[in-house]
Amino acid sequence: AQSVSQHNHHVILSEAASLELGCNYSYGGTVNLFWYVQYPGQHLQLLLKYFSGDPLVKGIKGFEAEFIKSKFSFNLRKPSVQWSDTAEYFCAVNGGANNLFFGTGTRLTVIP
Amino acid sequence: DTAVSQTPKYLVTQMGNDKSIKCEQNLGHDTMYWYKQDSKKFLKIMFSYNNKELIINETVPNRFSPKSPDKAHLNLHINSLELGDSAVYFCASSQGLAGGAGTQYFGPGTRLTVL
Repeated sequence: AQSVSQHNHHVILSEAASLELGCNYSYGGTVNLFWYVQYPGQHLQLLLKYFSGDPLVKGIKGFEAEFIKSKFSFNLRKPSVQWSDTAEYFCAVNGGANNLFFGTGTRLTVIP
Repeated sequence: DTAVSQTPKYLVTQMGNDKSIKCEQNLGHDTMYWYKQDSKKFLKIMFSYNNKELIINETVPNRFSPKSPDKAHLNLHINSLELGDSAVYFCASSQGLAGGAGTQYFGPGTRLTVL
């Protein structure tokens, strides 16, 4: 079975700090990987995705993620966070199934 | 233009009632999904339809019945609502099944509160 782990439940940073959110998945085959963001009171929006090719993926709003196959990881990074990045971040994986498996989410709070 | 829309946005109802949530997408996608997000923000697939055919039916009580009248709509009907049904329900759509290049696009969610 596929599963996704996000070990950071709540991360608090000051503006301009660097961000890295961890995501590990369990699935032995080829995977598609996603990061979604959910701003307070809003729906999920796609930040970035990895299907194949360059394992370093750049998304919207300055976010990027690196797929490390040997570590089954797809960590999300941003060099300098802003107050507007305060949101819930979800890692998701699809390994040939017809739906996404989501992690439990990481709440990011950015202090101005 | 809203790509994936859901109605209503909020739904407050008594235990035992029957209610429906509607979802429509104007992206021309052929696959639609229902997810449930619980109070701890955990998202779990409930159903998936591809070209109006049910392809995923996770372990969901049979009080929940999805209906897809056409590829652009996937409605969710819930009978005999229980307290544990309180959650946010998200509709999503993708072109092709998610195993391919089908990035999923989500609706705004419906917050269901059962009293």
